[in-house]
Amino acid sequence: DAKTTQPPSMDCAEGRAANLPCNHSTISGNEYVYWYRQIHSQGPQYIIHGLKNNETNEMASLIITEDRKSSTLILPHATLRDTAVYYCIAFLNTGTASKLTFGTGTRLQVTL
Amino acid sequence: GAVVSQHPSRVICKSGTSVKIECRSLDFQATTMFWYRQFPKQSLMLMATSNEGSKATYEQGVEKDKFLINHASLTLSTLTVTSAHPEDSSFYICSARHRKVPDTQYFGPGTRLTVL
Repeated sequence: DAKTTQPPSMDCAEGRAANLPCNHSTISGNEYVYWYRQIHSQGPQYIIHGLKNNETNEMASLIITEDRKSSTLILPHATLRDTAVYYCIAFLNTGTASKLTFGTGTRLQVTL
Repeated sequence: GAVVSQHPSRVICKSGTSVKIECRSLDFQATTMFWYRQFPKQSLMLMATSNEGSKATYEQGVEKDKFLINHASLTLSTLTVTSAHPEDSSFYICSARHRKVPDTQYFGPGTRLTVL
């Protein structure tokens, strides 16, 4: 799976949009971009994933650049409960042997 | 939907004893389950991958005789830490790949193991 690069930490004011960037310049054509987050002392929570097109669900939006070398996860109205470590993962699903590998992620701190 | 549970959530044991951690997919069948370990302030490290009815595949550096994995059904996998030592104290997290939605892994809440 391609390596991803994320800033180690970010701050965001409550109520504002949180935009979390991720670089994956070596991503291959059939690798998906996945986002998970981990709130302190809990298991990771799936947020969203995409291949080429932008995606939106009830949690977040995922914007993937046209060349697919980077993406941005957008939390439209961040709350204190969104404080967590956010992981961007480039993942190739080849079947049962496929496995998610976590990097160091971005620690998002949402403040009042 | 897609809920994964782990039991126990916390366990404290004496050095030299064995501890079993259960991972269950509550509302779906999982073709594959994964076990991760996370030390304080570090990221998740994959330990092993298990498929129902077959032997687990361990990552490099993970002792298969120390971390026994059993995947007896499509909804249950167990991790047994044998002869636990203080350095095995960690946060153990399982995940499951949905049989019908194979492109997404769902994670359990984790088990905090403390070995005295």
